[in-house]
Amino acid sequence: GESVGLHLPTLSVQEGDNSIINCAYSNSASDYFIWYKQESGKGPQFIIDIRSNMDKRQGQRVTVLLNKTVKHLSLQIAATQPGDSAVYFCAENINSGGSNYKLTFGKGTLLTVNP
Amino acid sequence: DTEVTQTPKHLVMGMTNKKSLKCEQHMGHRAMYWYKQKAKKPPELMFVYSYEKLSINESVPSRFSPECPNSSLLNLHLHALQPEDSALYLCASSQEQVYSNQPQHFGDGTRLSIL
Repeated sequence: GESVGLHLPTLSVQEGDNSIINCAYSNSASDYFIWYKQESGKGPQFIIDIRSNMDKRQGQRVTVLLNKTVKHLSLQIAATQPGDSAVYFCAENINSGGSNYKLTFGKGTLLTVNP
Repeated sequence: DTEVTQTPKHLVMGMTNKKSLKCEQHMGHRAMYWYKQKAKKPPELMFVYSYEKLSINESVPSRFSPECPNSSLLNLHLHALQPEDSALYLCASSQEQVYSNQPQHFGDGTRLSIL
């Protein structure tokens, strides 16, 4: 299950199950969102993105859902594998003034896949 | 392998030392970024360069000095750092900074320890 507390939120699933990682974003004006996967000792790796004019986008084994009404983003991973174990960050692209943008990351969720 | 290359991978330095972190990308991207990441936390933006000009400084202490010698290279010069500056320093790049719908691509970071 999922737990949120003083430490990094965690999600533990069995291999082969589907995983859902949730994220609440802060700025209703944000129009572009990205999910990153960060494995131990590595930098964040781009997984999938979505623009605010869409509510769903699919990739290979991954789906991102966007609910602008409640400012919520989710990442669904189908048939989760041990190699999916990592920290997952959502990020929103925020206008920082003029035509410049910067990424702001969510807290992250640690996904652990049990064989 | 990531297309953003950071060197060194690990760096240990004393508080009086001067060192530099280096980042290189050959994707033709015109925006480059420095982030700081503490353990179990999301990356935090430090600096943004757009077309080799500093466009964002997130109120970073002057003991961190960025430099963008050309469109492919980004340096971070370090001097008189404090123990709390120990962290993973990530470099990223994107095609442009001025558009919202472009993902940033990250290197694997430099793990910095201040003695």
